[in-house]
Amino acid sequence: SQTIHQWPATLVQPVGSPLSLECTVEGTSNPNLYWYRQAAGRGLQLLFYSVGIGQISSEVPQNLSASRPQDRQFILSSKKLLLSDSGFYLCAWTPAAKNIQYFGAGTRLSVL
Amino acid sequence: DAKTTQPPSMDCAEGRAANLPCNHSTISGNEYVYWYRQIHSQGPQYIIHGLKNNETNEMASLIITEDRKSSTLILPHATLRDTAVYYCIVRVDRGTGANNLFFGTGTRLTVIP
Repeated sequence: SQTIHQWPATLVQPVGSPLSLECTVEGTSNPNLYWYRQAAGRGLQLLFYSVGIGQISSEVPQNLSASRPQDRQFILSSKKLLLSDSGFYLCAWTPAAKNIQYFGAGTRLSVL
Repeated sequence: DAKTTQPPSMDCAEGRAANLPCNHSTISGNEYVYWYRQIHSQGPQYIIHGLKNNETNEMASLIITEDRKSSTLILPHATLRDTAVYYCIVRVDRGTGANNLFFGTGTRLTVIP
């Protein structure tokens, strides 16, 4: 069966520090991958999505970047975190040609 | 993708059916209705989806009106573990390419003992 792993679960970082969040999917190949952010009490905001290795689409301009070095690995990064980067970050995947998204457990990031 | 409107919150007694409404009056003919839920501090979980026929699975039932401008998610016997935010999403079922979903603020369902 397919599973999605996202880590770490919780992260506290100082302003100006770098960020790297990792997401991996097991049990499938060629998935579409997504990064979302959820601010407290708000809906989900799509940040990036990828339909293949090295293919990244950005939905909103921001302080973050994403990379997909391997088929089932999706990384969210920042060179210098801002206070406004705090939030709940979620990775998700869909099978190619399918529309149901499966989410990871999320990373709660606090930038202080 | 069509916009959806949901009530911000609802309560339901444990063991009773929870009926969560969603309005999507601008839905187009090739757009599906999806429901997800998010339990506090967890990732969203897929529940059910449909195009125009009513659907049922082990989690819930989805009732779509004949004009497709609204739908209702039914949890037949709500339990305390069903307390969550429920999201109704309308979008085209694309066969290829990215299938990004747009989540609004949803309905916060509280199941009361």
